[in-house]
Amino acid sequence: EAAVTQSPRNKVAVTGGKVTLSCNQTNNHNNMYWYRQDTGHGLRLIHYSYGAGSTEKGDIPDGYKASRPSQENFSLILELATPSQTSVYFCASGDASRGRNSDYTFGSGTRLLVI
Amino acid sequence: GDSVTQTEGQVALSEEDFLTIHCNYSASGYPALFWYVQYPGEGPQFLFRASRDKEKGSSRGFEATYDKGTTSFHLRKASVQESDSAVYYCALGVSNSGTYQRFGTGTKLQVVP
Repeated sequence: EAAVTQSPRNKVAVTGGKVTLSCNQTNNHNNMYWYRQDTGHGLRLIHYSYGAGSTEKGDIPDGYKASRPSQENFSLILELATPSQTSVYFCASGDASRGRNSDYTFGSGTRLLVI
Repeated sequence: GDSVTQTEGQVALSEEDFLTIHCNYSASGYPALFWYVQYPGEGPQFLFRASRDKEKGSSRGFEATYDKGTTSFHLRKASVQESDSAVYYCALGVSNSGTYQRFGTGTKLQVVP
């Protein structure tokens, strides 16, 4: 069954440390996305990708980097983690051939606490 | 920029009540509009979409009609069940410099038996 898998499910990081969140999809979708979810803000787009080797900035990219080494994998990197990055992070994939009509398949999320 | 607004942060209903969750959008042209549902501990799940004026999307008893005149895509269900308790997100498909979705702030629905 096609799916989006995120790891780890939970992560505690120290301020100033480096954090890498991983996402793997078996949907064979070209497009992948990273969102963060916060109360009062809903889901906000951090970075996205159209395929291997491509990354694009979303609405709130500051403090985050992204890496798409292959069709299946998309990582979110926090080089210097800060407490304001404490959140729940979701990865999603979408079918590029459907353009703006593409619905997304989401992973189960990574809960990150930066102390 | 393109955006969606959900006015209700929380909605509390009894079983068999009628549900309306409001979603209004701001965008040029005819953006695609979506509803997603999120259960505790899970990621959002696609519910349905609509992409042109007067088109109705529906799934699992939920429905919404794309209304360009009022720039709305309100979610409705005639008779809610306790199992419908979840967070509901309205989203707008953007295709400008990139192709992605912008989400509303979400509405938490609690249905009591």
